[in-house]
Amino acid sequence: EDKVVQSPLSLVVHEGDTVTLNCSYEVTNFRSLLWYKQEKKAPTFLFMLTSSGIEKKSGRLSSILDKKELFSILNITATQTGDSAVYLCAGFKAAGNKLTFGGGTRVLVKP
Amino acid sequence: GAGVSQSPSNKVTEKGKDVELRCDPISGHTALYWYRQSLGQGLEFLIYFQGNSAPDKSGLPSDRFSAERTGGSVSTLTIQRTQQEDSAVYLCASSPSPSGGQFFGPGTRLTVL
Repeated sequence: EDKVVQSPLSLVVHEGDTVTLNCSYEVTNFRSLLWYKQEKKAPTFLFMLTSSGIEKKSGRLSSILDKKELFSILNITATQTGDSAVYLCAGFKAAGNKLTFGGGTRVLVKP
Repeated sequence: GAGVSQSPSNKVTEKGKDVELRCDPISGHTALYWYRQSLGQGLEFLIYFQGNSAPDKSGLPSDRFSAERTGGSVSTLTIQRTQQEDSAVYLCASSPSPSGGQFFGPGTRLTVL
């Protein structure tokens, strides 16, 4: 059975801090790993990582995939209160095209 | 441009009633997915549509759940004889291609009393 595990479950930081979120996966026929930010109901797409070792960046967010060790990291630098959310990672299968989601990491950024 | 839209945003129903949830994907997106998120749980895959291909229904939890996608666009998720454990947020996502990132709608919060 496919499995995606995120850590930590939650963390509290202060504005300006850097956070690192971890995602490990065991997904058969793995194609890509996706990161989402969920503030209310709808997850917002952040990154899709398909190739190992290539960092993707968007503003203060960056992410990288290690297909040998089966994990990904999402970094947020110079955190702001607006970064407070649940961050989800998901493994994307080549067959069936379904996403298997991790349980999420809840990030709270205090002013 | 318009994102994925879902209706209703909230639905309260009585146990045993049938409900229909609607999803309008982003125009031109060929792939459409349904997920649900129960309180405190991660997102759970339900069903996937791609073009005119037969849908992948492997995530549907029981035969009370069904979905269709008409004309390759709008999709309806139907839950028959609702149970309290069906209470969850039902999320729809669409993608421009089977290998593309999935873009989620705002979800429908279903409460079964």
